[in-house]
Amino acid sequence: DVQLVESGGGLVKRGGSLRVSCVASGFTFSLTTMNWVRQAPGKGLEWVSSISSGTNHIDYADSVKGRFTISRDNANNSLYLQMNTLRVDDTAVYYCTRGARGYPRRFDLWGQGTLVTVSS
Amino acid sequence: EIVLTQSPGTLSLSPGERATLSCRASQGISTSYIAWYQHRPGQAPRLLIYGASSRGADIPDRFSGSGSGTDFTLTISRLEPEDSAVYYCQQYGNSPQSFGQGTKVEI
Repeated sequence: DVQLVESGGGLVKRGGSLRVSCVASGFTFSLTTMNWVRQAPGKGLEWVSSISSGTNHIDYADSVKGRFTISRDNANNSLYLQMNTLRVDDTAVYYCTRGARGYPRRFDLWGQGTLVTVSS
Repeated sequence: EIVLTQSPGTLSLSPGERATLSCRASQGISTSYIAWYQHRPGQAPRLLIYGASSRGADIPDRFSGSGSGTDFTLTISRLEPEDSAVYYCQQYGNSPQSFGQGTKVEI
Protein backbone atom coordinates (compact mmCIF):
# COMPACT_ATOMS: atom_id res chain seq x y z
CA ASP A 1 0.00 0.00 0.00
CA VAL A 2 1.06 3.56 -0.68
CA GLN A 3 1.02 5.25 2.71
CA LEU A 4 2.64 7.52 5.24
CA VAL A 5 2.55 6.68 8.94
CA GLU A 6 3.51 9.27 11.52
CA SER A 7 4.53 8.63 15.12
CA GLY A 8 6.19 10.31 18.05
CA GLY A 9 3.58 12.86 19.06
CA GLY A 10 2.74 13.46 22.68
CA LEU A 11 2.57 15.92 25.54
CA VAL A 12 5.56 18.14 26.21
CA LYS A 13 6.10 21.21 28.34
CA ARG A 14 6.74 24.64 26.91
CA GLY A 15 10.41 25.00 26.06
CA GLY A 16 10.84 21.26 25.64
CA SER A 17 11.76 19.13 22.66
CA LEU A 18 10.13 16.37 20.67
CA ARG A 19 10.89 14.45 17.50
CA VAL A 20 8.13 13.20 15.25
CA SER A 21 8.72 10.59 12.58
CA CYS A 22 7.09 9.38 9.40
CA VAL A 23 7.62 6.07 7.62
CA ALA A 24 6.74 5.85 3.95
CA SER A 25 5.85 2.77 1.95
CA GLY A 26 4.65 1.87 -1.51
CA PHE A 27 6.59 4.47 -3.49
CA THR A 28 10.18 5.52 -4.18
CA PHE A 29 10.75 7.66 -1.11
CA SER A 30 14.33 8.53 -2.03
CA LEU A 31 13.19 10.40 -5.16
CA THR A 32 10.47 12.45 -3.50
CA THR A 33 10.36 15.83 -1.78
CA MET A 34 8.71 15.44 1.62
CA ASN A 35 6.98 17.96 3.84
CA TRP A 36 5.43 18.55 7.22
CA VAL A 37 2.10 20.35 7.46
CA ARG A 38 0.30 21.05 10.73
CA GLN A 39 -3.17 21.92 11.91
CA ALA A 40 -3.68 23.62 15.25
CA PRO A 41 -6.95 22.93 17.10
CA GLY A 42 -9.81 24.70 15.36
CA LYS A 43 -7.47 26.20 12.77
CA GLY A 44 -6.60 25.59 9.15
CA LEU A 45 -3.63 23.91 7.51
CA GLU A 46 -0.15 25.41 7.84
CA TRP A 47 2.91 24.27 5.91
CA VAL A 48 5.85 23.78 8.30
CA SER A 49 8.87 22.49 6.39
CA SER A 50 10.08 20.77 3.22
CA ILE A 51 13.11 18.67 2.34
CA SER A 52 14.14 17.68 -1.17
CA SER A 53 14.99 14.11 -2.11
CA GLY A 54 18.73 14.67 -1.80
CA THR A 55 18.43 17.03 1.20
CA ASN A 56 20.07 19.84 -0.76
CA HIS A 57 17.00 22.02 -0.50
CA ILE A 58 15.35 22.61 2.87
CA ASP A 59 12.76 25.24 3.78
CA TYR A 60 10.96 26.28 6.93
CA ALA A 61 7.99 28.45 7.73
CA ASP A 62 9.01 31.64 9.52
CA SER A 63 7.06 30.49 12.57
CA VAL A 64 9.39 27.53 13.17
CA LYS A 65 12.68 28.70 11.63
CA GLY A 66 15.58 28.27 14.04
CA ARG A 67 13.61 25.92 16.30
CA PHE A 68 12.63 22.99 14.06
CA THR A 69 14.90 20.77 11.95
CA ILE A 70 13.67 18.51 9.18
CA SER A 71 15.69 15.49 8.10
CA ARG A 72 15.30 12.21 6.28
CA ASP A 73 16.81 8.73 6.05
CA ASN A 74 16.31 7.49 2.52
CA ALA A 75 17.70 4.05 3.35
CA ASN A 76 14.86 3.54 5.81
CA ASN A 77 12.14 5.53 4.01
CA SER A 78 11.84 7.83 7.00
CA LEU A 79 11.18 11.52 7.53
CA TYR A 80 11.76 13.36 10.78
CA LEU A 81 10.96 16.67 12.40
CA GLN A 82 13.02 17.66 15.42
CA MET A 83 11.15 20.32 17.37
CA ASN A 84 13.03 22.35 19.98
CA THR A 85 12.06 25.27 22.19
CA LEU A 86 8.44 24.30 21.77
CA ARG A 87 5.74 26.91 22.33
CA VAL A 88 2.11 26.48 23.27
CA ASP A 89 1.10 27.63 19.80
CA ASP A 90 3.03 24.69 18.29
CA THR A 91 0.22 22.47 19.57
CA ALA A 92 -1.17 20.79 16.47
CA VAL A 93 -1.65 17.63 14.51
CA TYR A 94 1.48 17.21 12.40
CA TYR A 95 0.99 15.62 8.99
CA CYS A 96 3.69 14.06 6.87
CA THR A 97 3.02 14.79 3.20
CA ARG A 98 4.50 13.76 -0.13
CA GLY A 99 5.31 16.37 -2.74
CA ALA A 100 3.94 15.64 -6.18
CA ARG A 101 6.40 14.81 -8.95
CA GLY A 102 7.50 18.04 -10.54
CA TYR A 103 5.47 20.10 -8.07
CA PRO A 104 7.01 19.49 -4.64
CA ARG A 105 4.71 21.87 -2.81
CA ARG A 106 1.58 20.13 -4.04
CA PHE A 107 0.81 17.45 -1.49
CA ASP A 108 -0.57 14.36 -3.16
CA LEU A 109 -0.33 11.95 -0.22
CA TRP A 110 -0.93 12.63 3.47
CA GLY A 111 -0.48 10.58 6.61
CA GLN A 112 -3.07 10.35 9.37
CA GLY A 113 -1.12 12.76 11.53
CA THR A 114 0.39 12.74 15.01
CA LEU A 115 -0.77 15.07 17.78
CA VAL A 116 1.74 17.27 19.55
CA THR A 117 0.48 19.06 22.64
CA VAL A 118 2.61 21.71 24.31
CA SER A 119 1.52 22.60 27.83
CA SER A 120 2.28 25.81 29.68
CA GLU B 1 3.12 35.90 0.54
CA ILE B 2 -0.06 35.21 -1.40
CA VAL B 3 -3.17 35.24 0.79
CA LEU B 4 -6.05 32.98 -0.19
CA THR B 5 -9.54 33.88 0.99
CA GLN B 6 -12.20 31.20 0.84
CA SER B 7 -15.94 31.75 0.90
CA PRO B 8 -18.37 31.00 2.30
CA GLY B 9 -17.11 29.90 5.70
CA THR B 10 -19.81 27.25 6.00
CA LEU B 11 -22.15 25.77 3.43
CA SER B 12 -25.20 23.77 4.56
CA LEU B 13 -26.83 21.78 1.78
CA SER B 14 -28.87 18.64 1.17
CA PRO B 15 -27.87 15.43 -0.59
CA GLY B 16 -28.13 15.77 -4.35
CA GLU B 17 -27.59 19.54 -4.34
CA ARG B 18 -24.66 21.39 -5.87
CA ALA B 19 -21.95 23.08 -3.78
CA THR B 20 -19.93 26.00 -5.11
CA LEU B 21 -16.84 26.98 -3.12
CA SER B 22 -14.79 30.07 -3.88
CA CYS B 23 -11.09 30.81 -3.42
CA ARG B 24 -9.75 34.28 -4.14
CA ALA B 25 -6.03 35.08 -4.23
CA SER B 26 -4.43 38.38 -3.22
CA GLN B 27 -2.45 38.31 -6.48
CA GLY B 28 -2.50 36.30 -9.67
CA ILE B 29 -1.51 32.63 -9.45
CA SER B 30 0.93 31.62 -12.16
CA THR B 31 -0.11 28.83 -14.50
CA SER B 32 -3.11 28.02 -12.28
CA TYR B 33 -1.05 26.37 -9.54
CA ILE B 34 -4.12 25.92 -7.40
CA ALA B 35 -5.06 22.74 -5.54
CA TRP B 36 -8.10 21.76 -3.51
CA TYR B 37 -8.03 19.34 -0.59
CA GLN B 38 -10.83 17.56 1.27
CA HIS B 39 -10.40 17.03 5.02
CA ARG B 40 -12.93 14.81 6.72
CA PRO B 41 -12.90 14.73 10.52
CA GLY B 42 -10.38 12.26 11.88
CA GLN B 43 -9.00 11.44 8.45
CA ALA B 44 -5.98 12.44 6.43
CA PRO B 45 -6.56 15.31 4.02
CA ARG B 46 -6.96 14.22 0.39
CA LEU B 47 -5.90 15.96 -2.81
CA LEU B 48 -9.00 16.55 -4.94
CA ILE B 49 -7.96 18.99 -7.65
CA TYR B 50 -4.62 20.26 -8.94
CA GLY B 51 -3.68 22.70 -11.68
CA ALA B 52 -7.01 24.39 -10.91
CA SER B 53 -9.05 21.85 -12.88
CA SER B 54 -7.40 18.40 -12.98
CA ARG B 55 -8.83 15.71 -10.70
CA GLY B 56 -6.53 13.77 -8.40
CA ALA B 57 -6.23 9.99 -8.43
CA ASP B 58 -9.54 8.18 -7.80
CA ILE B 59 -11.48 11.41 -7.35
CA PRO B 60 -15.06 11.06 -8.65
CA ASP B 61 -16.17 13.33 -11.48
CA ARG B 62 -18.69 14.99 -9.14
CA PHE B 63 -15.74 17.15 -8.13
CA SER B 64 -14.59 19.80 -10.59
CA GLY B 65 -12.36 22.85 -10.44
CA SER B 66 -12.22 25.99 -12.52
CA GLY B 67 -10.82 29.49 -12.59
CA SER B 68 -7.69 31.43 -13.39
CA GLY B 69 -5.77 34.49 -12.26
CA THR B 70 -7.12 35.34 -8.84
CA ASP B 71 -10.50 33.60 -8.75
CA PHE B 72 -10.96 29.86 -8.45
CA THR B 73 -13.95 27.61 -7.80
CA LEU B 74 -14.50 24.07 -6.57
CA THR B 75 -17.85 22.62 -7.56
CA ILE B 76 -19.34 19.49 -6.06
CA SER B 77 -22.32 18.36 -8.04
CA ARG B 78 -24.84 15.91 -6.60
CA LEU B 79 -23.67 16.09 -2.99
CA GLU B 80 -23.43 12.84 -1.06
CA PRO B 81 -23.33 12.48 2.76
CA GLU B 82 -19.65 11.50 2.68
CA ASP B 83 -18.82 14.90 1.14
CA SER B 84 -19.22 16.48 4.59
CA ALA B 85 -15.77 17.92 5.22
CA VAL B 86 -13.67 21.03 5.28
CA TYR B 87 -12.28 22.01 1.88
CA TYR B 88 -9.05 23.96 1.52
CA CYS B 89 -7.58 25.67 -1.49
CA GLN B 90 -3.81 25.99 -1.80
CA GLN B 91 -1.50 27.89 -4.10
CA TYR B 92 1.80 26.19 -4.85
CA GLY B 93 3.15 28.40 -7.60
CA ASN B 94 4.74 31.05 -5.41
CA SER B 95 6.99 30.58 -2.40
CA PRO B 96 5.93 30.25 0.31
CA GLN B 97 2.98 28.12 -0.67
CA SER B 98 -0.19 28.99 1.22
CA PHE B 99 -3.57 27.57 2.16
CA GLY B 100 -6.95 29.24 2.41
CA GLN B 101 -8.73 29.16 5.74
CA GLY B 102 -11.18 26.49 4.59
CA THR B 103 -14.88 26.11 3.79
CA LYS B 104 -16.93 23.68 5.87
CA VAL B 105 -19.55 21.76 3.91
CA GLU B 106 -22.37 20.34 6.00
CA ILE B 107 -24.81 17.88 4.49
